Amino acid sequence: AQKITQTQPGMFVQEKEAVTLDCTYDTSDQSYGLFWYKQPSSGEMIFLIYQGSYDEQNATEGRYSLNFQKARKSANLVISASQLGDSAMYFCAMREDHSGAGSYQLTFGKGTKLSVIP
Amino acid sequence: SAVISQKPSRDICQRGTSLTIQCQVDSQVTMMFWYRQQPGQSLTLIATANQGSEATYESGFVIDKFPISRPNLTFSTLTVSNMSPEDSSIYLCSVVGGQSYEQYFGPGTRLTVT
Repeated sequence: AQKITQTQPGMFVQEKEAVTLDCTYDTSDQSYGLFWYKQPSSGEMIFLIYQGSYDEQNATEGRYSLNFQKARKSANLVISASQLGDSAMYFCAMREDHSGAGSYQLTFGKGTKLSVIP
Repeated sequence: SAVISQKPSRDICQRGTSLTIQCQVDSQVTMMFWYRQQPGQSLTLIATANQGSEATYESGFVIDKFPISRPNLTFSTLTVSNMSPEDSSIYLCSVVGGQSYEQYFGPGTRLTVT
């Protein structure tokens, strides 16, 4: 079974509108972290936002927020007030904190290509 | 966050040859990771490189094909050996940093094998 599932291969959003990119995950660990990265056409991976499994509040970082629903195992990224520069691939990733192992490895989803329309 | 550079940024290579990719970090880090991103695909972890020990390879990746060096806490190399067109990918190095132990990535090396 996939550990990270992103069901939207591509999304379109009108400039200045909000958009939600879906991510569901699968883990048996109690402690884990969820990340979102942006990859523009240049290829670099840009860290956007992080949510820890024990965090009670949804993470926010500027125009990015993470809608964390632990019981449903979902960690959707919400981008408010979309800009043309937001057009990129977006990857959801998970770090499973196997107790005591100090693992920092990330497992990535297949990504969602977001296109912002002027 | 760490500043990471990679060399070369891109290359076109003949099949059967080898390419060494360099990753330089502006601060000392314990763990470095190497990822491969095949065209239109997600990132796949190749190996974890810790200074002073042998790299740990993920399933499907072997040292003979992807030898890694980690001579100090700011530098690592990944070699793609005996290349075939299937090795055409973006190769990215990353380090762990920040309050959430997020990973920061280098700009990537775009490799095309003809």
